[in-house]
Amino acid sequence: DIVMTQSPDSLAVSLGERATINCKSSQSVLYSSNNKNYLAWYQQKPGQPPKLLIYWASTRESGVPDRFSGSGSGTDFTLTISSLQAEDVAVYYCQQYYSTPPHTFGPGTKVDIK
Amino acid sequence: EVQLVQSGAEVKKPGESLKISCKGSGYSFTSYWIGWVRQMPGKGLEWMGIIYPGDSDTRYSPSFQGQVTISADKSISTAYLQWSSLKASDTAMYYCARLEGGGVVTAPLDYWGQGTLVTVSS
Repeated sequence: DIVMTQSPDSLAVSLGERATINCKSSQSVLYSSNNKNYLAWYQQKPGQPPKLLIYWASTRESGVPDRFSGSGSGTDFTLTISSLQAEDVAVYYCQQYYSTPPHTFGPGTKVDIK
Repeated sequence: EVQLVQSGAEVKKPGESLKISCKGSGYSFTSYWIGWVRQMPGKGLEWMGIIYPGDSDTRYSPSFQGQVTISADKSISTAYLQWSSLKASDTAMYYCARLEGGGVVTAPLDYWGQGTLVTVSS
């Protein structure tokens, strides 16, 4: 199975400041034939199911604010919240959906307000 | 509007059986894979397995193979997750979710159910 790791485990950022979350996969999730990274990011607020934010490593899901952006390729990825809002307090998970299941999740990064 | 509506919370004793459900609406239920995800109390997300309701093709995570059974009844647009003998360690929130992209397995989870809390305690 592909193992996903995230850093940091948690971070606290002031309102309006940038938050950066890193995700690493144990093997590349870049499919060479279509040059796509099979990597998604989810946001989970307390008491709610996860919500898909970004897929193909950098494509925002419909309706997701443009302060959320994804980048990276191969084994190293980043989710950036450019200007943290109070409603962004949540746990963020990366997930690889490359090739044969299971499509493993990272352990999550908790984002709070400083 | 795409919706996945899960069955209600359950409280069971160790050794009992259980089947929880996830009813899809607002899209062609037989044309998209449905997945199940476990979240133990205070913990992260664990990918359990998926089913394609069109032909009941099922894939499991090795961690859950043999521990649960995933099935679907396409006539009522419902997917199921079942246990034959529950353990206390099965206590968790269970989510169903649709894989984006139709019949493609390599896809993210775009719509989620509200979750079913399963509590197993003597």
